[in-house]
Formats: sequence, structure tokens, C-alpha cells
Amino acid sequence: QQPVQSPQAVILREGEDAVINCSSSKALYSVHWYRQKHGEAPVFLMILLKGGEQMRHEKISASFNEKKQQSSLYLTASQLSYSGTYFCGTEWRSSASKIIFGSGTRLSIRP
Amino acid sequence: DTAVSQTPKYLVTQMGNDKSIKCEQNLGHDTMYWYKQDSKKFLKIMFSYNNKELIINETVPNRFSPKSPDKAHLNLHINSLELGDSAVYFCASSQDGTGILRSYEQYFGPGTRLTVT
Repeated sequence: QQPVQSPQAVILREGEDAVINCSSSKALYSVHWYRQKHGEAPVFLMILLKGGEQMRHEKISASFNEKKQQSSLYLTASQLSYSGTYFCGTEWRSSASKIIFGSGTRLSIRP
Repeated sequence: DTAVSQTPKYLVTQMGNDKSIKCEQNLGHDTMYWYKQDSKKFLKIMFSYNNKELIINETVPNRFSPKSPDKAHLNLHINSLELGDSAVYFCASSQDGTGILRSYEQYFGPGTRLTVT
């Protein structure tokens, strides 16, 4: 049960904002967000735990709606360095260490 | 200092061959993973080991056999390679544990691009 990410791709101008959504058909324990730049390995951004607070990484923040079983990643005042593919990963129970990743959202930032 | 390293970085081989990919982490983590990322960038977990013990074994052909000689190493051996095995294989590690002892971040290696011809 792979989480569903939307949109599949986004093109922004530097300074614009974007929202990436991640939803699951199964009750979630946690949602993980990673960014992968072209030709590189995925890099951890943040995790949102069930019952936890909204998290933040630089000008990127995320929320977790447990009732709707979805998470949203907010990119504010985007910078060129934000370009890459964003993956959400979902975990259904704690200590499972098993993350199922969505298909990714490709973000391109233009100067 | 490289946290998670993989060798080789590139691997080109013919169908039917057997090959291995090695992974080492110097972070002191107790959990290691293998992921496969296909041409559509879909990142899928294959295996996970915790302290040398297999804890996750997804629906992967049994031509793929992971081996963990110690908790810092997790190697992947692939027998009878097929065209569909072409992908980038990522090794990752994390510090498992429960509650506040757990660190959720997974550190990924640089990847091994496997091309089967």
C-alpha cells in the first residue's frame, strides 16, 4: 500500500511557494520526508509522528493530519537549492523500521 | 569521512551473471537496509537487518541474497542477473531502538547503478 503523492511534478520560480501532499489508505504511525537531488542519494528532511508537532527544516515545514491519514510538505520562498525529487515515506506501526515510499514529486526551481 | 559507502558505484554485466554489491556504515547504527530504485525513480525497500538479523524481507526474487557479516556491513548478492534487475541499489542505515532512543533518520549510501545487458 504505497502512499500517494501529489502533484507528480511542480515547476516554480525562485521565491514562490509549493505544497506537496502525501496520503495513505492505511492508518499511519509516522510520515517521513526525503529529498533526492539528481544523481544523488535521498537525504532525510523530517519526520512527523502520530500525535507529534508540526516539523520544520529551514523554510520547509510539514504537517500530519492523522484523521485524514495524510501529510503535506510546505516549501516557502523556494530557493534554487530546493530542486529535486521529494519522497514521502509512511510507517504503519512504531519500531517496524519499514518505510514505504511514495512515487515522488519532482520539484524544479527556475531563477 | 563517508558515513555509508557502497562498492562498486557502477556495475555493468551480462544476463545470467552473478554479482555482489558491498555496503559499509561507520555510524555505529544497528539497522541496515537495501533499496531498489528503478528507472521511474520508485524507491522500494528490499531487505532490512538489525544487528545482523534479517527483520524485513520484501517480495524479492530469491536470486537476491543479503548477507550481514557484522552490524556495520550488509552485502547484496544477486544470482542469474536479468534485464529487469537494472536499477540503482541504495544501502541505508539507521539507529533503531524504541521510544525516544530511536533515531528515525535513514542515511543512504551513494548508490550502485547496475546495468544488465
